[in-house]
Amino acid sequence: KAGVTQTPRYLIKTRGQQVTLSCSPISGHRSVSWYQQTPGQGLQFLFEYFSETQRNKGNFPGRFSGRQFSNSRSEMNVSTLELGDSALYLCASSSGGDTDTQYFGPGTRLTVL
Amino acid sequence: KQEVTQIPAALSVPEGENLVLNCSFTDSAIYNLQWFRQDPGKGLTSLLLIQSSQREQTSGRLNASLDKSSGRSTLYIAASQPGDSATYLCAANSGAGSYQLTFGKGTKLSVIP
Repeated sequence: KAGVTQTPRYLIKTRGQQVTLSCSPISGHRSVSWYQQTPGQGLQFLFEYFSETQRNKGNFPGRFSGRQFSNSRSEMNVSTLELGDSALYLCASSSGGDTDTQYFGPGTRLTVL
Repeated sequence: KQEVTQIPAALSVPEGENLVLNCSFTDSAIYNLQWFRQDPGKGLTSLLLIQSSQREQTSGRLNASLDKSSGRSTLYIAASQPGDSATYLCAANSGAGSYQLTFGKGTKLSVIP
């Protein structure tokens, strides 16, 4: 079974631009979550989608948004990029139950100049 | 608001030693607790998942315990090897009807040959 895949793996953008990151979950998984990892704050929850609906959202500004498609693939978008958005963005998938294991992808390394 | 703390932040041990990594959480109303390892610049690899109704889980040389009443979990690694060198993260799932992991900052483990 293929794991969670994320594209692209690396991105360089400049301040003010916007960016879209993509995540393909493990086949059969309906839940996709997104996390931001920085050296200072560690791993922080962005949002979770289940069957195309956002079920939960972390404490991030509205510049961070996401969506999930009918095939469970998910995208997250960051508009008006700031230097502080430089981070490793990780997505994770699970079957969707409260007791399920989450499986993480390799991440997208975003650098904002 | 759930907070997760991991102590120590870094640990260096000689090969072959048994070791314990600690994780504490402030809100005992968790659905499960998951331990991950992260290699530099990479995504997270799930090691063990303990449901809230369980006391421990074992996989090979790894054993994780959970004590909800005291808000603590430990990860025991037996007969450590250089390949165990990585950052170990614990994460509590507090999402009711959704999946939201709160992570600790991790313990960076170095196993010296």
